[in-house]
Amino acid sequence: GQNIDQPTEMTATEGAIVQINCTYQTSGFNGLFWYQQHAGEAPTFLSYNVLDGLEEKGRFSSFLSRSKGYSYLLLKELQMKDSASYLCAVYPLAGSGNTGKLIFGQGTTLQVKP
Amino acid sequence: DADVTQTPRNRITKTGKRIMLECSQTKGHDRMYWYRQDPGLGLRLIYYSFDVKDINKGEISDGYSVSRQAQAKFSLSLESAIPNQTALYFCATSDGRRRGGELFFGEGSRLTVL
Repeated sequence: GQNIDQPTEMTATEGAIVQINCTYQTSGFNGLFWYQQHAGEAPTFLSYNVLDGLEEKGRFSSFLSRSKGYSYLLLKELQMKDSASYLCAVYPLAGSGNTGKLIFGQGTTLQVKP
Repeated sequence: DADVTQTPRNRITKTGKRIMLECSQTKGHDRMYWYRQDPGLGLRLIYYSFDVKDINKGEISDGYSVSRQAQAKFSLSLESAIPNQTALYFCATSDGRRRGGELFFGEGSRLTVL
């Protein structure tokens, strides 16, 4: 089965750096996704990690450790518009019984304050 | 125009009524999904389809049915709506030949069952 944990809420200050953690337990793993969702809107893709290490994309970076079942999303130079929910999602391995079904965590609501 | 279009965007109905939510896409993707989102519960998969002849149940399919009328169209039906089906419903697509876990979401359909 799949079990994904991430903090429910976080607060940070504009201009600061924030790290949103995600831990997962899965019977078969083929990658980890991060999505951003502003209130009342659809989720949008942020990043994808399949190998261990850091993937950097502008102000956002995502890290993965497959052996530890751990990922984090790092947001630098926070802006007010970064206030949103951040969803961690696991992509199961082919043949695991959950092939092709992206499994989402409950999401972390980030509030950026001036 | 949006690549993934959901109709209706908002619907209020009464218990026992039949409701259909429709989704169409112009992305040419083979895979389509229906998720529901409830506060504190994240995104949960209702049904998914990898091609026109392939329909699969997700985590919470009871009380729902789907139809994949064409590669571009995937509709969700509530045969007899009940109040606990009040939620925000998202349709999503992905390209199984590339990064199948990168989902493209519609804008959502907010359903209220009284």
